[in-house]
Amino acid sequence: EDQVTQSPEALRLQEGESSSLNCSYTVSGLRGLFWYRQDPGKGPEFLFTLYSAGEEKEKERLKATLTKKESFLHITAPKPEDSATYLCAVLPAGYSTLTFGKGTMLLVSP
Amino acid sequence: NAGVMQNPRHLVRRRGQEARLRCSPMKGHSHVYWYRQLPEEGLKFMVYLQKENIIDESGMPKERFSAEFPKEGPSILRIQQVVRGDSAAYFCASSTGTGSYEQYFGPGTRLTVT
Repeated sequence: EDQVTQSPEALRLQEGESSSLNCSYTVSGLRGLFWYRQDPGKGPEFLFTLYSAGEEKEKERLKATLTKKESFLHITAPKPEDSATYLCAVLPAGYSTLTFGKGTMLLVSP
Repeated sequence: NAGVMQNPRHLVRRRGQEARLRCSPMKGHSHVYWYRQLPEEGLKFMVYLQKENIIDESGMPKERFSAEFPKEGPSILRIQQVVRGDSAAYFCASSTGTGSYEQYFGPGTRLTVT
């Protein structure tokens, strides 16, 4: 069965304190890995798609990387407005629907 | 360019009533996905539709739930004879479906069953 595990479940950082979120996955074949941001009471907001091991994508203070078994979302010098739940999802080969992890709730304090 | 639209944003139903949730995909998108989100459980896939076709309904409960995406108009997720366990946030996502697997989500409908 395809599985997606995100860690930690929650992370509290001080403003400017860089860190990484982890997404490990078990699929028979990976068509793509997706990162989303979700604010309370809102729908997930698309951030990145990664398709192959070694690929990296960047957007402002966020950088996503992918290996054969996991992905990292690196947050450099975070600000309070980066506080949100970050969701990872995989698209297994041969499928058209996403399997989501439970997310990492990030809180950045000023 | 309008994003994915869902209505209503909040819906309260009594046990045994019907709930109808509507979703209009982004302009240019012809593929629609419905997800349910419960606290502590994350987003769970329910059903995947294209215009007038259900492509994958493997995540949909066998009874009381149905979905459609007609040739004209929004996609509809229908829940008949709602029970308290149906209380959740229901999200719709859309994609172009042609070589891009990125799904863009709407703001969700929060269903409360009393």
